[in-house]
Amino acid sequence: DSGVTQTPKHLITATGQRVTLRCSPRSGDLSVYWYQQSLDQGLQFLIQYYNGEERAKGNILERFSAQQFPDLHSELNLSSLELGDSALYFCASSLQGDGNIQYFGAGTRLSVL
Amino acid sequence: AQSVTQLDSQVPVFEEAPVELRCNYSSSVSVYLFWYVQYPNQGLQLLLKYLSGSTLVKGINGFEAEFNKSQTSFHLRKPSVHISDTAEYFCAVSESWGAQKLVFGQGTRLTINP
Repeated sequence: DSGVTQTPKHLITATGQRVTLRCSPRSGDLSVYWYQQSLDQGLQFLIQYYNGEERAKGNILERFSAQQFPDLHSELNLSSLELGDSALYFCASSLQGDGNIQYFGAGTRLSVL
Repeated sequence: AQSVTQLDSQVPVFEEAPVELRCNYSSSVSVYLFWYVQYPNQGLQLLLKYLSGSTLVKGINGFEAEFNKSQTSFHLRKPSVHISDTAEYFCAVSESWGAQKLVFGQGTRLTINP
């Protein structure tokens, strides 16, 4: 158990809908990262938050947004969903200054039908 | 920007045989290197990391990797594999300063045959 909790484990929805994925980092970790894993793109970095502030952005679509709350949990919001958004979404957390060792949650599998 | 190339998409090996999974990276700055393992229907688990110091790093489950700066490689090895090592293995790199995102290779599927 990595200590990173992601909910829900599975999500099935329709095109055009909006969903929210939730992540609770390991106790004490201030950084949260979101990654997308798909068959064609592999594992891609989406966005990083550090102590509530956006720190870095990757190839995140404009339809996607994220935030980190004062209790350090994070949410990834995906809107106007398309078939191609079907993927496994991972959250990871790390402790600043710890060599950036990232610990991953079990992921949320999103299926857009 | 960094990039990672895992040279083999699939590696079949017999049980108790040695295995090497190859990883090359590209970066203009100093990096940290990682290997993660993903078992079927599970998340990513950290196998080992290179941050600094000794170029030979040991990880969990009997795996080790060697950082070779001149060849920009970080190959993963295990002297004797078990059926339970069947999984997808990912090599990843991040900058040691600045942006901390992980850049992953495409993964190597290790299949252990009895």
